[in-house]
Amino acid sequence: SQKIEQNSEALNIQEGKTATLTCNYTNYSPAYLQWYRQDPGRGPVFLLLIRENEKEKRKERLKVTFDTTLKQSLFHITASQPADSATYLCALERSASKIIFGSGTRLSIRP
Amino acid sequence: EAGVAQSPRYKIIEKRQSVAFWCNPISGHATLYWYQQILGQGPKLLIQFQNNGVVDDSQLPKDRFSAERLKGVDSTLKIQPAKLEDSAVYLCASSLDPGKVSYNEQFFGPGTRLTVL
Repeated sequence: SQKIEQNSEALNIQEGKTATLTCNYTNYSPAYLQWYRQDPGRGPVFLLLIRENEKEKRKERLKVTFDTTLKQSLFHITASQPADSATYLCALERSASKIIFGSGTRLSIRP
Repeated sequence: EAGVAQSPRYKIIEKRQSVAFWCNPISGHATLYWYQQILGQGPKLLIQFQNNGVVDDSQLPKDRFSAERLKGVDSTLKIQPAKLEDSAVYLCASSLDPGKVSYNEQFFGPGTRLTVL
């Protein structure tokens, strides 16, 4: 079955630096790979999606890369701010409507 | 646009009791999902509805969990009887008809935190 691995340890970054989160998967390549943000006590919020035929996608300070050879996606937050502190979830979508989530990486940005 | 609504937000019960959660998805969203999120883990899909039909319930513990989506709108998830390991946050999400969009962005409610003592 498909497995998804994200940085198991929490990530602590100095404000202003670039945070890089990793998502590795096994088995088949997904049609889409999505990234969500989750704050304590709230549901996940969709951030970005990248398709299997795309190498990179950007949205403001966010950048996602997708390497189907390495079976890996990297999620970057540039010029990080304390407000970026949250848990970030990687999710794979194989076919329309079915998504599998990773366990998430907790990111802390210190002032 | 109103988001996904869930109630209650918190529930504490004793093992072997029953509990029910309610979800109202975003208007017009054909697909509804129930997830279980245990502390420190990602959401795990329990059941997925397309309108009022079940698309995937392969990870739903059917001996104790049940869900329905009457009229293709609101949904309820029930646990009977509850076990200690059911303590988790139960998230409801909705999305547009996958046949009408090129990818599946899911919109989540705030979740119901269940504690089983």
